[in-house]
Amino acid sequence: DVKVTQSSRYLVKRTGEKVFLECVQDMDHENMFWYRQDPGLGLRLIYFSYDVKMKEKGDIPEGYSVSREKKERFSLILESASTNQTSMYLCASGPYSNQPQHFGDGTRLSIL
Amino acid sequence: RKEVEQDPGPFNVPEGATVAFNCTYSNSASQSFFWYRQDCRKEPKLLMSVYSSGNEDGRFTAQLNRASQYISLLIRDSKLSDSATYLCVVNMRGYGGSQGNLIFGKGTKLSVKP
Repeated sequence: DVKVTQSSRYLVKRTGEKVFLECVQDMDHENMFWYRQDPGLGLRLIYFSYDVKMKEKGDIPEGYSVSREKKERFSLILESASTNQTSMYLCASGPYSNQPQHFGDGTRLSIL
Repeated sequence: RKEVEQDPGPFNVPEGATVAFNCTYSNSASQSFFWYRQDCRKEPKLLMSVYSSGNEDGRFTAQLNRASQYISLLIRDSKLSDSATYLCVVNMRGYGGSQGNLIFGKGTKLSVKP
């Protein structure tokens, strides 16, 4: 079974802090994704990566950056956290971009 | 324009009922289609892929109509445990990379009552 592990289930940070969300997958997938999910807005793609050191912007990249130094790890960085970044963050991985993605448990992030 | 649309529901049905969800997509070049299930405060999980000829998995049947650009999910003999949000997912060519990327609908909420 595919395992996608996110570093925290719940996280509380303060406005202006730099926040790191980590994601690790164990299936040697090429593709990794970061989404946020908010009530009524569904899943929105923040960034994705097709290969090590490669990244592409999704629909809502503003205020975020990512890092993929190793194939199995994809990090999401909130450069200066703001209250409107309070959300559920979901990491996913998949073998090809048109194949099913497998999600981690999610991180519920609150910015105070 | 990339778009996947679903009726948000909620669909409230009694146990044992048959319920159907539809989803429309805008990109006629889409080639991969899936249904995901998401329980409250949990991550989305793949329920089933949708094939051109239609496919069945137990009480669940998925259909694809390319001409009309919609996919459907039929659940027979609904169980209390089927209560969840069902996400329609479509591969959208031209959205990120040469193969495109997956676009998730906002989901249809199903509540099965005793």
